[in-house]
Amino acid sequence: DAKTTQPTSMDCAEGRAANLPCNHSTISGNEYVYWYRQIHSQGPQYIIHGLKNNETNEMASLIITEDRKSSTLILPHATLRDTAVYYCIVRVPKYGNKLVFGAGTILRVKS
Amino acid sequence: DGGITQSPKYLFRKEGQNVTLSCEQNLNHDAMYWYRQDPGQGLRLIYYSQIVNDFQKGDIAEGYSVSREKKESFPLTVTSAQKNPTAFYLCASTTGLARPGELFFGEGSRLTVL
Repeated sequence: DAKTTQPTSMDCAEGRAANLPCNHSTISGNEYVYWYRQIHSQGPQYIIHGLKNNETNEMASLIITEDRKSSTLILPHATLRDTAVYYCIVRVPKYGNKLVFGAGTILRVKS
Repeated sequence: DGGITQSPKYLFRKEGQNVTLSCEQNLNHDAMYWYRQDPGQGLRLIYYSQIVNDFQKGDIAEGYSVSREKKESFPLTVTSAQKNPTAFYLCASTTGLARPGELFFGEGSRLTVL
Protein backbone atom coordinates (compact mmCIF):
# COMPACT_ATOMS: atom_id res chain seq x y z
CA ASP A 1 0.00 0.00 0.00
CA ALA A 2 1.32 3.43 -0.92
CA LYS A 3 2.15 5.57 2.09
CA THR A 4 2.16 9.33 2.38
CA THR A 5 4.48 11.82 4.04
CA GLN A 6 3.26 15.20 5.20
CA PRO A 7 4.83 17.96 7.30
CA THR A 8 3.73 17.85 10.90
CA SER A 9 2.49 21.43 10.97
CA MET A 10 2.26 24.63 8.94
CA ASP A 11 1.22 28.21 9.56
CA CYS A 12 -0.58 30.48 7.13
CA ALA A 13 -1.69 34.10 7.31
CA GLU A 14 -5.40 34.72 7.00
CA GLY A 15 -6.37 35.65 3.43
CA ARG A 16 -3.27 34.11 1.91
CA ALA A 17 -3.06 30.85 0.02
CA ALA A 18 -2.26 27.76 2.06
CA ASN A 19 -0.18 25.19 0.18
CA LEU A 20 -0.06 21.79 1.85
CA PRO A 21 2.41 19.29 0.36
CA CYS A 22 2.23 15.52 0.35
CA ASN A 23 4.71 12.94 -0.84
CA HIS A 24 3.48 9.56 -2.09
CA SER A 25 6.46 8.24 -4.00
CA THR A 26 5.27 4.61 -4.00
CA ILE A 27 1.84 5.33 -5.42
CA SER A 28 0.69 2.86 -8.06
CA GLY A 29 -1.01 3.68 -11.33
CA ASN A 30 -4.57 3.04 -10.24
CA GLU A 31 -4.44 4.73 -6.84
CA TYR A 32 -6.18 8.02 -6.22
CA VAL A 33 -4.99 10.81 -3.94
CA TYR A 34 -7.58 12.05 -1.44
CA TRP A 35 -7.55 14.98 0.92
CA TYR A 36 -9.62 15.26 4.07
CA ARG A 37 -9.55 17.68 6.95
CA GLN A 38 -10.55 17.34 10.56
CA ILE A 39 -11.52 20.22 12.75
CA HIS A 40 -10.88 19.56 16.42
CA SER A 41 -13.12 16.85 17.90
CA GLN A 42 -15.20 16.46 14.77
CA GLY A 43 -15.34 13.80 12.08
CA PRO A 44 -13.07 14.31 9.05
CA GLN A 45 -14.52 16.10 6.04
CA TYR A 46 -13.81 15.19 2.43
CA ILE A 47 -12.13 17.99 0.46
CA ILE A 48 -11.04 16.74 -2.94
CA HIS A 49 -9.46 13.82 -4.78
CA GLY A 50 -7.61 13.18 -8.04
CA LEU A 51 -5.84 10.56 -10.12
CA LYS A 52 -3.59 12.33 -12.61
CA ASN A 53 -5.05 15.69 -13.57
CA ASN A 54 -5.26 18.77 -11.40
CA GLU A 55 -8.62 19.22 -9.77
CA THR A 56 -10.54 22.18 -8.40
CA ASN A 57 -13.76 22.48 -6.47
CA GLU A 58 -15.43 25.05 -4.26
CA MET A 59 -13.16 24.23 -1.35
CA ALA A 60 -9.69 23.76 -2.80
CA SER A 61 -7.41 22.86 -5.68
CA LEU A 62 -5.31 19.73 -5.97
CA ILE A 63 -2.10 19.78 -7.95
CA ILE A 64 -0.54 16.38 -8.74
CA THR A 65 2.94 16.20 -10.22
CA GLU A 66 3.37 14.53 -13.58
CA ASP A 67 5.14 11.53 -12.05
CA ARG A 68 2.37 11.38 -9.40
CA LYS A 69 4.90 11.06 -6.61
CA SER A 70 3.70 14.16 -4.83
CA SER A 71 0.76 16.52 -4.64
CA THR A 72 -0.21 19.87 -3.15
CA LEU A 73 -3.51 20.93 -1.71
CA ILE A 74 -4.18 24.63 -2.17
CA LEU A 75 -6.65 26.63 -0.12
CA PRO A 76 -6.70 29.87 -2.15
CA HIS A 77 -7.78 32.29 0.59
CA ALA A 78 -7.33 30.71 3.98
CA THR A 79 -9.62 31.77 6.80
CA LEU A 80 -9.45 31.12 10.53
CA ARG A 81 -12.06 28.40 10.05
CA ASP A 82 -9.60 26.48 7.87
CA THR A 83 -7.47 25.73 10.94
CA ALA A 84 -7.56 21.93 11.08
CA VAL A 85 -5.60 18.73 10.55
CA TYR A 86 -5.28 17.93 6.85
CA TYR A 87 -4.87 14.34 5.76
CA CYS A 88 -3.39 13.25 2.44
CA ILE A 89 -4.46 9.69 1.70
CA VAL A 90 -3.78 7.25 -1.08
CA ARG A 91 -6.50 4.74 -1.67
CA VAL A 92 -5.52 1.18 -0.82
CA PRO A 93 -6.14 -0.95 -3.92
CA LYS A 94 -7.96 -3.68 -2.07
CA TYR A 95 -11.56 -4.74 -2.37
CA GLY A 96 -13.32 -2.88 0.38
CA ASN A 97 -12.61 0.72 -0.53
CA LYS A 98 -10.40 1.05 2.49
CA LEU A 99 -8.74 4.38 3.27
CA VAL A 100 -5.75 4.55 5.61
CA PHE A 101 -5.16 7.81 7.50
CA GLY A 102 -1.74 9.01 8.64
CA ALA A 103 -1.01 11.72 11.20
CA GLY A 104 -1.70 14.58 8.76
CA THR A 105 -0.59 18.22 8.79
CA ILE A 106 -1.82 20.66 11.42
CA LEU A 107 -2.60 23.90 9.58
CA ARG A 108 -2.84 26.99 11.75
CA VAL A 109 -4.33 30.03 10.06
CA LYS A 110 -3.38 33.18 11.90
CA SER A 111 -4.85 36.67 11.73
CA ASP B 1 -31.29 15.56 5.91
CA GLY B 2 -29.15 12.53 5.15
CA GLY B 3 -26.18 11.75 7.30
CA ILE B 4 -24.45 9.53 9.81
CA THR B 5 -25.50 9.57 13.43
CA GLN B 6 -23.27 8.29 16.18
CA SER B 7 -24.39 7.84 19.76
CA PRO B 8 -23.67 8.48 22.47
CA LYS B 9 -21.37 11.45 21.93
CA TYR B 10 -19.70 10.94 25.30
CA LEU B 11 -19.55 7.71 27.26
CA PHE B 12 -17.94 6.78 30.54
CA ARG B 13 -17.51 3.18 31.62
CA LYS B 14 -15.74 1.22 34.26
CA GLU B 15 -12.83 -0.99 33.35
CA GLY B 16 -13.88 -4.48 32.35
CA GLN B 17 -17.31 -3.54 31.02
CA ASN B 18 -18.35 -4.06 27.44
CA VAL B 19 -19.60 -0.96 25.64
CA THR B 20 -21.57 -0.68 22.39
CA LEU B 21 -21.34 2.42 20.21
CA SER B 22 -24.13 3.06 17.76
CA CYS B 23 -23.73 4.16 14.13
CA GLU B 24 -26.73 4.74 11.89
CA GLN B 25 -26.78 6.16 8.35
CA ASN B 26 -29.67 7.12 6.08
CA LEU B 27 -27.52 7.74 3.01
CA ASN B 28 -28.24 4.32 1.51
CA HIS B 29 -24.51 3.64 1.54
CA ASP B 30 -23.27 0.09 1.15
CA ALA B 31 -19.96 0.33 3.00
CA MET B 32 -19.45 1.36 6.61
CA TYR B 33 -16.31 1.77 8.70
CA TRP B 34 -15.13 2.22 12.26
CA TYR B 35 -11.98 4.18 13.08
CA ARG B 36 -10.27 4.90 16.34
CA GLN B 37 -8.36 8.11 17.03
CA ASP B 38 -6.02 8.74 19.95
CA PRO B 39 -4.89 12.25 20.97
CA GLY B 40 -2.57 13.78 18.38
CA GLN B 41 -2.78 10.71 16.19
CA GLY B 42 -4.35 9.86 12.87
CA LEU B 43 -7.27 7.51 12.38
CA ARG B 44 -6.77 3.78 12.62
CA LEU B 45 -9.20 1.35 11.00
CA ILE B 46 -10.92 -1.11 13.34
CA TYR B 47 -13.50 -2.87 11.16
CA TYR B 48 -15.28 -2.27 7.90
CA SER B 49 -18.25 -3.75 6.11
CA GLN B 50 -19.07 -3.72 2.41
CA ILE B 51 -22.48 -5.34 2.54
CA VAL B 52 -25.02 -6.56 5.04
CA ASN B 53 -23.98 -9.63 7.04
CA ASP B 54 -20.35 -9.25 6.03
CA PHE B 55 -17.44 -7.39 7.62
CA GLN B 56 -13.64 -7.48 7.69
CA LYS B 57 -11.03 -6.71 10.29
CA GLY B 58 -9.03 -3.55 9.92
CA ASP B 59 -5.61 -2.84 11.39
CA ILE B 60 -6.57 -2.86 15.08
CA ALA B 61 -9.54 -5.22 15.42
CA GLU B 62 -8.40 -6.99 18.59
CA GLY B 63 -10.74 -6.32 21.49
CA TYR B 64 -13.55 -5.07 19.26
CA SER B 65 -16.56 -6.70 17.61
CA VAL B 66 -19.13 -5.52 15.09
CA SER B 67 -22.32 -6.65 13.38
CA ARG B 68 -24.04 -5.61 10.17
CA GLU B 69 -27.56 -6.97 10.28
CA LYS B 70 -29.05 -3.96 8.51
CA LYS B 71 -27.67 -1.72 5.79
CA GLU B 72 -28.28 1.36 7.91
CA SER B 73 -26.60 0.18 11.09
CA PHE B 74 -23.06 -0.83 12.06
CA PRO B 75 -22.66 -0.98 15.85
CA LEU B 76 -19.25 -1.38 17.46
CA THR B 77 -18.74 -3.21 20.73
CA VAL B 78 -15.64 -2.40 22.75
CA THR B 79 -15.03 -5.50 24.81
CA SER B 80 -13.18 -5.98 28.05
CA ALA B 81 -10.38 -7.56 26.01
CA GLN B 82 -9.46 -4.15 24.56
CA LYS B 83 -6.49 -3.12 26.70
CA ASN B 84 -6.72 0.63 26.22
CA PRO B 85 -10.24 1.53 25.10
CA THR B 86 -10.22 5.22 25.98
CA ALA B 87 -10.31 6.99 22.61
CA PHE B 88 -12.36 8.94 20.08
CA TYR B 89 -14.34 6.59 17.81
CA LEU B 90 -15.48 7.59 14.34
CA CYS B 91 -17.94 5.86 12.07
CA ALA B 92 -18.00 6.46 8.32
CA SER B 93 -19.81 5.27 5.21
CA THR B 94 -19.40 5.42 1.45
CA THR B 95 -21.12 4.33 -1.71
CA GLY B 96 -17.88 3.70 -3.52
CA LEU B 97 -19.64 4.68 -6.72
CA ALA B 98 -19.77 8.28 -7.92
CA ARG B 99 -16.80 9.42 -5.88
CA PRO B 100 -14.88 6.26 -5.02
CA GLY B 101 -13.24 6.42 -1.66
CA GLU B 102 -15.12 9.48 -0.40
CA LEU B 103 -16.05 8.77 3.17
CA PHE B 104 -18.81 10.51 5.07
CA PHE B 105 -18.09 10.67 8.80
CA GLY B 106 -20.23 10.92 11.87
CA GLU B 107 -19.42 13.36 14.67
CA GLY B 108 -17.74 10.71 16.77
CA SER B 109 -18.14 9.07 20.17
CA ARG B 110 -15.66 9.79 22.91
CA LEU B 111 -15.22 6.84 25.24
CA THR B 112 -13.50 7.21 28.59
CA VAL B 113 -12.80 4.17 30.72
CA LEU B 114 -12.41 4.98 34.38
